[in-house]
Amino acid sequence: DVKVTQSSRYLVKRTGEKVFLECVQDMDHENMFWYRQDPGLGLRLIYFSYDVKMKEKGDIPEGYSVSREKKERFSLILESASTNQTSMYLCASNTRQVPPDTQYFGPGTRLTVL
Amino acid sequence: QKEVEQNSGPLSVPEGAIASLNCTYSDRGSQSFFWYRQYSGKSPELIMFIYSNGDKEDGRFTAQLNKASQYVSLLIRDSQPSDSATYLCAPRGGYNKLIFGAGTRLAVHP
Repeated sequence: DVKVTQSSRYLVKRTGEKVFLECVQDMDHENMFWYRQDPGLGLRLIYFSYDVKMKEKGDIPEGYSVSREKKERFSLILESASTNQTSMYLCASNTRQVPPDTQYFGPGTRLTVL
Repeated sequence: QKEVEQNSGPLSVPEGAIASLNCTYSDRGSQSFFWYRQYSGKSPELIMFIYSNGDKEDGRFTAQLNKASQYVSLLIRDSQPSDSATYLCAPRGGYNKLIFGAGTRLAVHP
């Protein structure tokens, strides 16, 4: 079974703090994704990575950065957290080798910025 | 125009009825389409995918694809209260990236 894990289920941070969200997958997937999900807005792609050290901006990259130093790990960084970044953050992964292939999601991190 | 359009709902159906969820997409190059179910507070989970025109059945679920009309749908037969969730449509894009719609909320009432 594919497993995607995220470092925290719930996180509370203060405005201006630097926040790290970690995601790890155990299926040797090339692709990893970070989404945020807000009521009525669906899943919005923040960044994705198709290989180690490679990244592409998604639809809403402003205020975020990412890091992928190892294939299994993809980190989302909020350089200076703001209240409008309060959201559910979902990590996902899949392979590029055999389409069609689904994306496997982690359990999500609910981040609250006060 | 959004890349993937879904009616936000809620779509309310009685238990035992057929629920019909619809999705239109803008990228004519999309070849594969995924349907996910998401319960409140949980991650999306895959129901099924389809990549050929026509119907694909899996248990109580049937996906329908019409590439000429850029339309994909999901039918749920014999709907159960446990089917109450948000259903997300997702065409596959470049790099095997999925493009998600905002989802349709389904409510199945006893």
